[in-house]
Amino acid sequence: GDSVTQMEGPVTLSEEAFLTINCTYTATGYPSLFWYVQYPGEGLQLLLKATKADDKGSNKGFEATYRKETTSFHLEKGSVQVSDSAVYFCARENAGKSTFGDGTTLTVKP
Amino acid sequence: DTGVSQNPRHKITKRGQNVTFRCDPISEHNRLYWYRQTLGQGPEFLTYFQNEAQLEKSRLLSDRFSAERPKGSFSTLEIQRTEQGDSAMYLCASSVGLALGETQYFGPGTRLLVL
Repeated sequence: GDSVTQMEGPVTLSEEAFLTINCTYTATGYPSLFWYVQYPGEGLQLLLKATKADDKGSNKGFEATYRKETTSFHLEKGSVQVSDSAVYFCARENAGKSTFGDGTTLTVKP
Repeated sequence: DTGVSQNPRHKITKRGQNVTFRCDPISEHNRLYWYRQTLGQGPEFLTYFQNEAQLEKSRLLSDRFSAERPKGSFSTLEIQRTEQGDSAMYLCASSVGLALGETQYFGPGTRLLVL
């Protein structure tokens, strides 16, 4: 069945470090791809998305590119801040059904 | 606040009891989704509605689970004869429902504990 595999955490970085969180997905159908973020004490919210191959989603300095050839949608940010500390979920959606990864906890230290 | 709301926010019940959760989506959102999330895992898809029609139902949803969206607005998720394994966070989300890859807006969830 459909699945999403993301980098296991937790990830701990110093402020201004470069962030990569890997995500790969099963290629069945023509999925849209998403990164969701859950800040401490808050609900899930969309961070960015891409709906077709080679699209790049971006928001708040985060970027991810829909790579069909490698079935990947890795999340990157050039310079993380303490306020980026959260749990990040990669997800794919096809025909209304979404499949999420297990989440990666990011902690950014000052 | 016009976001997705869920009630109750917390529910403690004894094994074997029935529970019902409610979700109110964002106004005029046609699609409504239910997910279950356990600690350390991502949300697992349970079911979704397009208006009042239930279009997809996960195999995770046993016969003890039922969801309705009678007028295409709010939705209820009922669990009958609860088991300890049902303890989880139940999330609801909604989207406009007119295109592929739409943003889903999540509610705060209902945390269920089955004793």
